[in-house]
Amino acid sequence: QKEVEQDPGPLSVPEGAIVSLNCTYSNSAFQYFMWYRQYSRKGPELLMYTYSSGNKEDGRFTAQVDKSSKYISLFIRDSQPSDSATYLCAMSQITGNQFYFGTGTSLTVIP
Amino acid sequence: GAVVSQHPSWVICKSGTSVKIECRSLDFQATTMFWYRQFPKQSLMLMATSNEGSKATYEQGVEKDKFLINHASLTLSTLTVTSAHPEDSSFYICGFPRSDSYEQYFGPGTRLTVT
Repeated sequence: QKEVEQDPGPLSVPEGAIVSLNCTYSNSAFQYFMWYRQYSRKGPELLMYTYSSGNKEDGRFTAQVDKSSKYISLFIRDSQPSDSATYLCAMSQITGNQFYFGTGTSLTVIP
Repeated sequence: GAVVSQHPSWVICKSGTSVKIECRSLDFQATTMFWYRQFPKQSLMLMATSNEGSKATYEQGVEKDKFLINHASLTLSTLTVTSAHPEDSSFYICGFPRSDSYEQYFGPGTRLTVT
């Protein structure tokens, strides 16, 4: 079993839709949960970060972590064509430690 | 966030030759750095952990004699792909973790094509 599972998609939605991206994981020791956005042939850039369980909101983006279910989500409201990218979830056990990535979900927002 | 540069951004080489990829942090120092490989439509897979002043630690299945890592300073690490083969063609990304927080800063990646 992989440490982190993520549906690779692809996911295609109309502009303005709400997008839900999800990851599950198996290691209960994970404490830090991140969402990265990666454009084609570019390095990942950090979108959201959550420590332990809970919700975090930043503009159109909301990250949720449910440690009891080992399930994390990223919601994008009022999606824009510029949101079209691959979204990677990542998690780690402690600060400065290696990240475990999901496979990434490819998202296309159609104008 | 911190700025990490990688050079070259794209390289094409012939089978059997060696290629060196540089990863440099421009505005902070790190004793540890990670090298990842990413195949098309797949996630980043950790290849090795590079520690300044000591030997790198390689993940299972990654040949240490083929992928030479030199963590020359707190701001520079290099990955050399020796005797490259077409199956080494991939996107290589470095990551600088901060020891005092969750953050990891990634380079823009190097696309290697071996013909």
